[in-house]
Amino acid sequence: EPEVTQTPSHQVTQMGQEVILRCVPISNHLYFYWYRQILGQKVEFLVSFYNNEISEKSEIFDDQFSVERPDGSNFTLKIRSTKLEDSAMYFCASRGDGLNTEAFFGQGTRLTVV
Amino acid sequence: DAKTTQPNSMESNEEEPVHLPCNHSTISGTDYIHWYRQLPSQGPEYVIHGLTSNVNNRMASLAIAEDRKSSTLILHRATLRDAAVYYCIRRTYAGNMLTFGGGTRLMVKP
Repeated sequence: EPEVTQTPSHQVTQMGQEVILRCVPISNHLYFYWYRQILGQKVEFLVSFYNNEISEKSEIFDDQFSVERPDGSNFTLKIRSTKLEDSAMYFCASRGDGLNTEAFFGQGTRLTVV
Repeated sequence: DAKTTQPNSMESNEEEPVHLPCNHSTISGTDYIHWYRQLPSQGPEYVIHGLTSNVNNRMASLAIAEDRKSSTLILHRATLRDAAVYYCIRRTYAGNMLTFGGGTRLMVKP
């Protein structure tokens, strides 16, 4: 069964450093997402990406965040200068064409900012 | 915003049916009802979705009230592996992202 793959599974970084979280969505999917979940809290939407551009973003997704689909298979989330409060699980998701197709989530990257 | 209401937690015995309720009293005519679940230490996983009619798939059944103001996710025989947080999500017809609420934490007892 096709799946969304995220790497690394766990990343520890120093405050102020840049991190790039990587995702390989399901190959024929067209919509891509990043969500995050702070420990013990709800899953929060960050950004959606379609047709090589951001289609929606939340208030959390400020200038420190950016997304890219550099090569047609990978989908990355960059945090430019990490803060302690960026520590969370980050989930990538993708879905296919169609107005109500289901989203497939990766297993997540645990980001720890120290 | 999520605009659905679910109990914080429920308990079930293994191999018994589980009915997980969701209230969405302000739902509009074109909103779909989606259910996802999140097993411990994993990403969310799609369970089922529907609009008006009841729906069945290999994982569960979804019963939607006639007025669409509530729905119930039915797990026909709960297993220990079904212990998870279950999210009921309203999604507009052309909805893009999912808005997760607090969900219902289902505990399954052997």
